[in-house]
Amino acid sequence: AQTVTQSQPEMSVQEAETVTLSCTYDTSESDYYLFWYKQPPSRQMILVIRQEAYKQQNATENRFSVNFQKAAKSFSLKISDSQLGDAAMYFCAYRIRSNFGNEKLTFGTGTRLTIIP
Amino acid sequence: EADIYQTPRYLVIGTGKKITLECSQTMGHDKMYWYQQDPGMELHLIHYSYGVNSTEKGDLSSESTVSRIRTEHFPLTLESARPSHTSQYLCASSEYPTGTGITEAFFGQGTRLTVV
Repeated sequence: AQTVTQSQPEMSVQEAETVTLSCTYDTSESDYYLFWYKQPPSRQMILVIRQEAYKQQNATENRFSVNFQKAAKSFSLKISDSQLGDAAMYFCAYRIRSNFGNEKLTFGTGTRLTIIP
Repeated sequence: EADIYQTPRYLVIGTGKKITLECSQTMGHDKMYWYQQDPGMELHLIHYSYGVNSTEKGDLSSESTVSRIRTEHFPLTLESARPSHTSQYLCASSEYPTGTGITEAFFGQGTRLTVV
């Protein structure tokens, strides 16, 4: 079974600084996807960034980037120039890539990020 | 903003009552999911569906049931609510990937259920 581990229950960062959230996962699959989702206090989960396992290049979306280390099964999220609106719960998630469409998302336990003004 | 809606947002109900949590999406997605989010914020998949008349149990055992009679609608029902069912319930949907495409899941705002 696949598992996703987020070892940092809470993190805080000064506004405008950079913060890195950690995520490790365990799988025997070779083809899969990884995601970071953000859940603000309003509760609607939204996608921040995603990475295909077959791509060596790290995904980047504006101020958000990942450090994907496939051999180490590590998938960390870096937030640059942190803003107050980044305060939220962040979830790392994993999904196998299947031709049958029977993929399921497996989530980590989340990291609560606080932005200090 | 994702076109997936959950009602009600908040529900307080007495033990033994039957309840249905509604989830609808207007994106035409075949795949839909129900997650239970406990007070520690961890999400657990309790039900999913790959299309009309398809429902499967998820990784976390749940006393709830689901149905998928229409593509856009995926309601979750508790026949007899108990305090142990108190939780946040999140509905999500996604489309089947085409080619090497990667698809994301879109989430509703959730229903916070309290059983007293």
